[in-house]
Amino acid sequence: QQPVQSPQAVILREGEDAVINCSSSKALYSVHWYRQKHGEAPVFLMILLKGGEQKGHEKISASFNEKKQQSSLYLTASQLSYSGTYFCGTAPYQKVTFGTGTKLQVIP
Amino acid sequence: DVKVTQSSRYLVKRTGEKVFLECVQDMDHENMFWYRQDPGLGLRLIYFSYDVKMKEKGDIPEGYSVSREKKERFSLILESASTNQTSMYLCASSLLRWAWRADGYTFGSGTRLTVV
Repeated sequence: QQPVQSPQAVILREGEDAVINCSSSKALYSVHWYRQKHGEAPVFLMILLKGGEQKGHEKISASFNEKKQQSSLYLTASQLSYSGTYFCGTAPYQKVTFGTGTKLQVIP
Repeated sequence: DVKVTQSSRYLVKRTGEKVFLECVQDMDHENMFWYRQDPGLGLRLIYFSYDVKMKEKGDIPEGYSVSREKKERFSLILESASTNQTSMYLCASSLLRWAWRADGYTFGSGTRLTVV
C-alpha cells in the first residue's frame, strides 16, 4: 500500500513556506524523503526513524509521528532551487514503498 | 560520490522483443532495486536484490525478471515487451547498514523505454 501524500501540487513564491504531508495505513518504521527535479534522478534528502525524530537538510526539515503514522516535510524560505517533485517513502527493512509525489513549483 | 549508471537513457523496442536494462553501481552496495515511474503513480518497485544471486519480487513483478551475477551489476529483463511496459525505469542501490531499516537510496538517471 503506497503512502498518501498531500497536497498533490503546490506553487510558492520565493521566500514562502510549505508543508508536504505523508501518511500511511501501515505502521511506519522509518520514512524517507527524496526530491526529483525534472528530467533527473530522485535525490535522497533524509531518513526519519520512530520516536518523533526531526531532521534537517539546508532549510528543509521533517518530522515523524509514528502514532499517527504520518510524516511532514517543512520547506522554509523557499528558493527557486527547491522546485521539483517530492516523494516520501516508507520502509520496513530494506525496501522502500514510495508515495505518488508532490509537485512543488517556486516562482520569483 | 556513489554512482549508479544505467546503460541507456532512451530505448525504443518492438512488442514481443526481449529487453535488457543494465545497472551498475560503484560503491559496493549490497542492495539494488528496480523501480518504474509513471505519471500519477509514483515509483513502484519491480524487483530488488540484497546479495549476489538473491532476488525478491516487489509490488509489480509480472512480465519482468532480474539477474544479479556480480555485486555491482543488476539487470532487469522484459521477457516479451508489451506496450504497457512503456515507462521510465529507475535503478537504485543502498548500503545494508542496518538489518532492520533501509539506508538512503542512490538512483541512476533512468532509462525511458518506449515499446511500439
